[in-house]
Amino acid sequence: EAGVAQSPRYKIIEKRQSVAFWCNPISGHATLYWYQQILGQGPKLLIQFQNNGVVDDSQLPKDRFSAERLKGVDSTLKIQPAKLEDSAVYLCASSSRARGRDTEAFFGQGTRLTVV
Amino acid sequence: AQSVTQPDIHITVSEGASLELRCNYSYGATPYLFWYVQSPGQGLQLLLKYFSGDTLVQGIKGFEAEFKRSQSSFNLRKPSVHWSDAAEYFCAAKSSGGSYIPTFGRGTSLIVHP
Repeated sequence: EAGVAQSPRYKIIEKRQSVAFWCNPISGHATLYWYQQILGQGPKLLIQFQNNGVVDDSQLPKDRFSAERLKGVDSTLKIQPAKLEDSAVYLCASSSRARGRDTEAFFGQGTRLTVV
Repeated sequence: AQSVTQPDIHITVSEGASLELRCNYSYGATPYLFWYVQSPGQGLQLLLKYFSGDTLVQGIKGFEAEFKRSQSSFNLRKPSVHWSDAAEYFCAAKSSGGSYIPTFGRGTSLIVHP
């Protein structure tokens, strides 16, 4: 079974530029998560999708971050414009549903963003 | 508010020694509980999980964790640490009902001395 795929692995941009990350979850997983992991901290959930609908985006800085999962499979996360404090690893994860509940999340390797 | 606390930022052990990493949670009801490991430059790998039932959970790589409802804890243990276990360890929790937003602790960095 293929895992969660993310690209790119690394990205360096200047502040005020825009950037996009892509995630392909495990086949059949209805739930997709985007996390931000700042160096030295635990991952923080940015947004959670179930199929193509948003379950929770309460911690997503909506003035500059956006995410979509149009067909309920792949997802993109965009930052526009980027700030220095956006430097972090962006992790995508997916999980399946069993008896109406999400099971554990499987993570991709992440995209390391450096904003200079 | 729901939260996961890992009180130790760093833990240093000698190779071959036993290990215990602490995790406490604050949830209204018993959540689903997880331990993940993250090696440098890698994504998170699930070590073990607890949903219900037996409170002692066996995971991969020789790890186990014990759920203690009275202490709201889910500590990770390993009887004999290997140098390759050096990594960052994250405890996480999800509500077992309603919204399923997973929350992570800040992580514990494990350093293994030869």
